[in-house]
Amino acid sequence: DQQVKQNSPSLSVQEGRISILNCDYTNSMFDYFLWYKKYPAEGPTFLISISSIKDKNEDGRFTVFLNKSAKHLSLHIVPSQPGDSAVYFCAAKTGANNLFFGTGTRLTVIP
Amino acid sequence: EAGVAQSPRYKIIEKRQSVAFWCNPISGHATLYWYQQILGQGPKLLIQFQNNGVVDDSQLPKDRFSAERLKGVDSTLKIQPAKLEDSAVYLCASSLVQGWYEQYFGPGTRLTVT
Repeated sequence: DQQVKQNSPSLSVQEGRISILNCDYTNSMFDYFLWYKKYPAEGPTFLISISSIKDKNEDGRFTVFLNKSAKHLSLHIVPSQPGDSAVYFCAAKTGANNLFFGTGTRLTVIP
Repeated sequence: EAGVAQSPRYKIIEKRQSVAFWCNPISGHATLYWYQQILGQGPKLLIQFQNNGVVDDSQLPKDRFSAERLKGVDSTLKIQPAKLEDSAVYLCASSLVQGWYEQYFGPGTRLTVT
């Protein structure tokens, strides 16, 4: 039972443009959402998070939006840079419980 | 600050053989996690330790997988005997305390079972 879903396995964007990565979830009890970034042969690294009491969180070029009614969140990267090319995982948790990860979206930023 | 260390980075074994992975978390991190990431999927939690006690091992196939965290620091994950479907990347992560949202991941061990 996949509680966190990333339906787009890949995304290609031109350098300088906006990248939008999407994530859907089914468990309404999730209260914290995170995005992780993964380069080849490395472990995932934390990128940005958002609490369920907020609808937006911004950190530099990265912004995460949460739509609780739609059980949907998205990660916006503006402007996109070639170094952003990686696999992005959406993850969610409830309280002190563990993270549930999506299947990932491979972002390719074309110079 | 040193990150999470894992070894070996790669391992190839035949089915029915045994294998062990080692993890050294970030110093001072009380919580340690082992994840299994099958190709094309997201990481799936196998077991979580709080210091040297098991908090959650509900997803660990206990007939063949075992893990321990001696003295609340290093941890080992063992598979015996391995099956073809165990081919995956095994990720170790640590966090400061249980329930803290930010987990720091090691580079992983890529296991291939032939």
